Amino acid sequence: GNSVTQMEGPVTLSEEAFLTINCTYTATGYPSLFWYVQYPGEGLQLLLKATKADDKGSNKGFEATYRKETTSFHLEKGSVQVSDSAVYFCALNNYGQNFVFGPGTRLSVLP
Amino acid sequence: EAGVVQSPRYKIIEKKQPVAFWCNPISGHNTLYWYRQNLGQGPELLIRYENEEAVDDSQLPKDRFSAERLKGVDSTLKIQPAELGDSAVYLCASSLRQGGGETQYFGPGTRLLVL
Repeated sequence: GNSVTQMEGPVTLSEEAFLTINCTYTATGYPSLFWYVQYPGEGLQLLLKATKADDKGSNKGFEATYRKETTSFHLEKGSVQVSDSAVYFCALNNYGQNFVFGPGTRLSVLP
Repeated sequence: EAGVVQSPRYKIIEKKQPVAFWCNPISGHNTLYWYRQNLGQGPELLIRYENEEAVDDSQLPKDRFSAERLKGVDSTLKIQPAELGDSAVYLCASSLRQGGGETQYFGPGTRLLVL
């Protein structure tokens, strides 16, 4: 079946540091890949997505590239801010099927 | 455009009491999901609707949980009776399947505490 694995947290960084959160997946076919972010006390918000191999999703300085050869969709940001502190979820979806979410990675950014 | 609306945002009940959650999806979205999210974990699917039809309820504990989506728009999720282990955040999400792709949008969730 389909599954998503992402790096264990928590991840603690200083402001302006470089961020990478690893995500790998197992799926049949050609799923769409997503990153969602969840701030304290809120629901999940779509951060970015990619629908086919080599696509790069980007939003608010975050980027992730759909790598089919390594079945990965790592999230990166060049300079994190305190306001980026949240839980980040990697997810995949094959059309017509349920979404599959990773366990989440908590990011804390210190001033 | 309004997002997914959920109410109430918080609910505290005693065990064995009933509780209901309401969700209004984004206008025009034909697919609606209910998830349960335990503390420190990702969302776990409870039920998925395509319009008014429940197409996947395999993870819904049917002895105490029920859901409906009348007229293919709003949906309610009910627990009766609630147990201590039901304490969690209940998330509703909606999506529109178009052109071979789907993107899911979440509501703010209902935080349930069962005492």
